[in-house]
Amino acid sequence: GQQLNQSPQSMFIQEGEDVSMNCTSSSIFNTWLWYKQEPGEGPVLLIALYKAGELTSNGRLTAQFGITRKDSFLNISASIPSDVGIYFCAGNSGYALNFGKGTSLLVTP
Amino acid sequence: DTGVSQDPRHKITKRGQNVTFRCDPISEHNRLYWYRQTLGQGPEFLTYFQNEAQLEKSRLLSDRFSAERPKGSFSTLEIQRTEQGDSAMYLCASSPPSVAGFTDTQYFGPGTRLTVL
Repeated sequence: GQQLNQSPQSMFIQEGEDVSMNCTSSSIFNTWLWYKQEPGEGPVLLIALYKAGELTSNGRLTAQFGITRKDSFLNISASIPSDVGIYFCAGNSGYALNFGKGTSLLVTP
Repeated sequence: DTGVSQDPRHKITKRGQNVTFRCDPISEHNRLYWYRQTLGQGPEFLTYFQNEAQLEKSRLLSDRFSAERPKGSFSTLEIQRTEQGDSAMYLCASSPPSVAGFTDTQYFGPGTRLTVL
C-alpha cells in the first residue's frame, strides 16, 4: 500500500494545551480518516473527510483534508488527560485503508 | 452495544497449531475487512468482503491464511501452521453499503491479540 508519513511521532504535553499533528502522502486519496487507539483496543473513528479542502470539527477536534488531496491535519484544543492514546491517519483510495505509523500523545494533568 | 465484535480477544498458541478468529460486523454493513497490526505500526490491510464475496486480498495474506464470510454476515479468519511472525493484533472492520460519491468509512472492532510461542 501507499506510504503515509505521520508527524510528530510522539507528543508530551500539559493538560489544557492545544495539539496539532499531520499526515502526508505521495499519493492522492479520496477520503482521509482520523482514528484514536488505546492500548489493547481497536481504532475508534474520530473524523472522516471526503472532499479536498473540507474542514470538519468533532467537539474539541478539528481536521482538514488538504487541497492537494495528499495531506491532512488534526488539531485537538484544550487537551485533557483522556486524550492520551495513539492517533492514526488513514487514506482511502479503494477498498483498503492505508495507515500512518501513528502519533503517540501523552497528557499530564 | 451494536459495534463490531471479535472473538476471542486474546489467543495464545504454540507454533504449528491452527487458529481461527471470528468477526461479527455492525448489522446491515455489507462490507467487511481484515487488518493486521504489529507493535509500533498502523493496521495493514489483509482482505475485503462485499457480502459473501471476497473481492480483494493483500499479498500479506499468505497461503496459510484463509478468510470466509459464508452467509454475508459474520466472517472467520483462519491461520494454519502458525509461526512466531504471525503474532499480532488482528482487526476486523465493517462499513455500510457505498453511497454514490463517497468512499467507505470503516468501523473497527476491538481486535484479537494473537501470541505464537
